[in-house]
Amino acid sequence: DAGVTQSPTHLIKTRGQQVTLRCSPKSGHDTVSWYQQALGQGPQFIFQYYEEEERQRGNFPDRFSGHQFPNYSSELNVNALLLGDSALYLCASSAPGQGRKELFFGEGSRLTVL
Amino acid sequence: EDQVTQSPEALRLQEGESSSLNCSYTVSGLRGLFWYRQDPGKGPEFLFTLYSAGEEKEKERLKATLTKKESFLHITAPKPEDSATYLCAVQAWDSNYQLIWGAGTKLIIKP
Repeated sequence: DAGVTQSPTHLIKTRGQQVTLRCSPKSGHDTVSWYQQALGQGPQFIFQYYEEEERQRGNFPDRFSGHQFPNYSSELNVNALLLGDSALYLCASSAPGQGRKELFFGEGSRLTVL
Repeated sequence: EDQVTQSPEALRLQEGESSSLNCSYTVSGLRGLFWYRQDPGKGPEFLFTLYSAGEEKEKERLKATLTKKESFLHITAPKPEDSATYLCAVQAWDSNYQLIWGAGTKLIIKP
């Protein structure tokens, strides 16, 4: 049973460029969340997608956008990259249903902005 | 504002030397408290969920406990393979879908 998979694992961009990160959730999961983790910090919530719609958003600018596809996979897009966007971007999936649910994380995509 | 503070930032122990990590939280209404382990360059790995004060959960050398203001992760007779960053996160009832995370405790176990 494949867990959460993310691609690419590493990438380098320059300021002002755009990037797309991809995520496939764990089998049977329908909800995808994206987090940004700076070095030495805990993850920061970017947004969550459910039924192909953004269900909740954290304190991130509109440069950060996303999408969820009918097969539950998801993309995170970041436009007009800044040096401060350099971080580990984590995708997490969770199972259907309401209530307290643990998140299962992928290995992350390490973005470096030069 | 919901907040999570973990202490210490880093902890070095000898193999077999037991200790505890602390997670203090402020949240409007606690829906759940989560402990994760993260190895360098990897995504967090789920360890425990705690829902109410007084609850305890165990897994191998780890035991998590919860009070109304904090949670402890006790590690008994640790081994070098327990070295990792341990992250604590809370979920509030009025913010259904996001977790608020602490900065983590980096645990180093020396052989």
